[in-house]
Amino acid sequence: EVQLVESGGGVVQPGGSLRLSCAASGFSFEQNAMHWVRQPPGKGLEWVSLISRDGGVTLYANSVKGRFIISRDIIKNSVYLQLNSLRTEDTAIYYCTRGRQWLTDIWGRGTTVTVSS
Amino acid sequence: EIVLMQSPGTLSLSPGDRATLSCRASQSVGNNYFAWYRQKPGQPPRLLIYDASTRATGIPDRFSGSGSETDFTLTISRLESEDSAVFYCQQYAVAPLTFGGGTKVEIK
Repeated sequence: EVQLVESGGGVVQPGGSLRLSCAASGFSFEQNAMHWVRQPPGKGLEWVSLISRDGGVTLYANSVKGRFIISRDIIKNSVYLQLNSLRTEDTAIYYCTRGRQWLTDIWGRGTTVTVSS
Repeated sequence: EIVLMQSPGTLSLSPGDRATLSCRASQSVGNNYFAWYRQKPGQPPRLLIYDASTRATGIPDRFSGSGSETDFTLTISRLESEDSAVFYCQQYAVAPLTFGGGTKVEIK
């Protein structure tokens, strides 16, 4: 069974940092790009970032460029999102998704990030 | 950035009804790299349709997608209670990937 399990969310003050993790299983992790997508409370979906199969290509939404860093570890079958200089508008559920090329086909259940003083 | 506008915002229908959801893109979506998702309350989105008209694994044939370039449609031929959800469209042709604002389907 394909599974994505996110962790690392929590409550953080504005300007703070968090590192989200996503553990993948049930598929050939090294054959797939990976994405992060977020959803603020009661709102719609916003694509955040993508990392290619080999990690050589990373892309970011303008709203997080320069503050968030995506990475992956093929040995641990995991993808990460480092969140820096957090703002209140970064409050959201963060979903890890498998990428079939750029299609986000399988989604985890998400981890919640709350930025508040 | 390709902006996606979904309509209507809310759809209220009865079980067994046919639902038609629309999504219009601000510019042409190359290769028909266009998808639809259903998000039930408290759950992550689930992929229904990709490449504009291909059903994802395990999705019943009452869901169908159509359209090209800037106008896309999701049709649900016979609504069921589990379709009480928000439906999102998405383009994955160019970065940044973008989603529409969603259509909420209410089952009477």
